[in-house]
Amino acid sequence: NAGVTQTPKFRVLKTGQSMTLLCAQDMNHEYMYWYRQDPGMGLRLIHYSVGEGTTAKGEVPDGYNVSRLKKQNFLLGLESAAPSQTSVYFCASSSLSNYGYTFGSGTRLTVV
Amino acid sequence: GIQVEQSPPDLILQEGANSTLRCNFSDSVNNLQWFHQNPWGQLINLFYIPSGTKQNGRLSATTVATERYSLLYISSSQTTDSGVYFCAVNRGGADGLTFGKGTHLIIQP
Repeated sequence: NAGVTQTPKFRVLKTGQSMTLLCAQDMNHEYMYWYRQDPGMGLRLIHYSVGEGTTAKGEVPDGYNVSRLKKQNFLLGLESAAPSQTSVYFCASSSLSNYGYTFGSGTRLTVV
Repeated sequence: GIQVEQSPPDLILQEGANSTLRCNFSDSVNNLQWFHQNPWGQLINLFYIPSGTKQNGRLSATTVATERYSLLYISSSQTTDSGVYFCAVNRGGADGLTFGKGTHLIIQP
């Protein structure tokens, strides 16, 4: 039982490049979330999904897009990376019966 | 949106000591969770506790929803308790959580 798996774990991008972060969960959770963590800022919600095919904006959605085509996967896309998107990105999931989050191990992204 | 304030921001203790971490929030909530982020960055859910009291080993948590605060108690601290403790809340179960800035705890041997 892997829980929540994020790929890649590390990535360096040049300004203007695009990339997709993948989050996969094997717990049959309905809800999935993308957060970013910056020093001294805690975690901030980027986008979230309450079910397959549905997504919603969080606190800091600008510059990101998401898709949830399959219940177990939640993708976070950066179309044109900017240095301000340098951060650690965390994916989390939770269920209808228990709202407690399970987090992935994070993706450290650097945009130069 | 809901404001979440955690105190103290930093705490240094000796192994074996007890500690109390506080989380204040600005509005009524239906979801409150405590997390531990270890020095390697992994986030672990400690408690889902929108109200009442729960205990898990040396850790316990109490949320007084009517007074808009929650407390996390750590007894007989161990060096492995070091890290950052986050409180996070929301008004509805499936909505994303709003996190506080955390309490950075260092347990010295």
